[in-house]
Amino acid sequence: NAGVTQTPKFRVLKTGQSMTLLCAQDMNHEYMYWYRQDPGMGLRLIHYSVGEGTTAKGEVPDGYNVSRLKKQNFLLGLESAAPSQTSVYFCASRNSGIVVYEQFFGPGTRLTVL
Amino acid sequence: AQTVTQSQPEMSVQEAETVTLSCTYDTSESDYYLFWYKQPPSRQMILVIRQEAYKQQNATENRFSVNFQKAAKSFSLKISDSQLGDAAMYFCAYKDSGGSNYKLTFGKGTLLTVNP
Repeated sequence: NAGVTQTPKFRVLKTGQSMTLLCAQDMNHEYMYWYRQDPGMGLRLIHYSVGEGTTAKGEVPDGYNVSRLKKQNFLLGLESAAPSQTSVYFCASRNSGIVVYEQFFGPGTRLTVL
Repeated sequence: AQTVTQSQPEMSVQEAETVTLSCTYDTSESDYYLFWYKQPPSRQMILVIRQEAYKQQNATENRFSVNFQKAAKSFSLKISDSQLGDAAMYFCAYKDSGGSNYKLTFGKGTLLTVNP
């Protein structure tokens, strides 16, 4: 049971390049989330999904797109990277039960946009 | 909108001593969840402790306990018998209990240093 994994762990992009971050979970969780973490800002929600084939915007969605084609995977895309998107990106997942609420986090991806 | 405030950007404690990290939040909801997450240098976010607002009893997990003051909207974390492995960034987080709100709101974090 690997939990939540993220690929890649590190990436450097040039302004205008595109890339996709992959999140995978093996816990059969319904809900998945993408956050970004910036110094002094805590974690902020970018997009989330409440099930396969669904996505929704979080509080900072601009410049990002997401897809949830398979229940276990949640992809975060940057179509045209900007220096403001330099950050650490975290994926999280949780099951649909609300008796015990917990989000499980991946190890993060450090992205630098030059 | 809900907000979470951690007023202590940094804290330090001597090994084996006790430290308390502060967190306040703002909400108009009566039922919600509160969490403390630990983020060590490895960056992995680890859930330390959770509290359901409807429970009056303060949550406890081994050396970690909370002081939940609902009327004051305060949720502090006490770490007893601090260990070197407790050194990390700690985040307080809030979530409405309503099913339509999927968002966890995080504070900005408190960096805890444990001195040997």
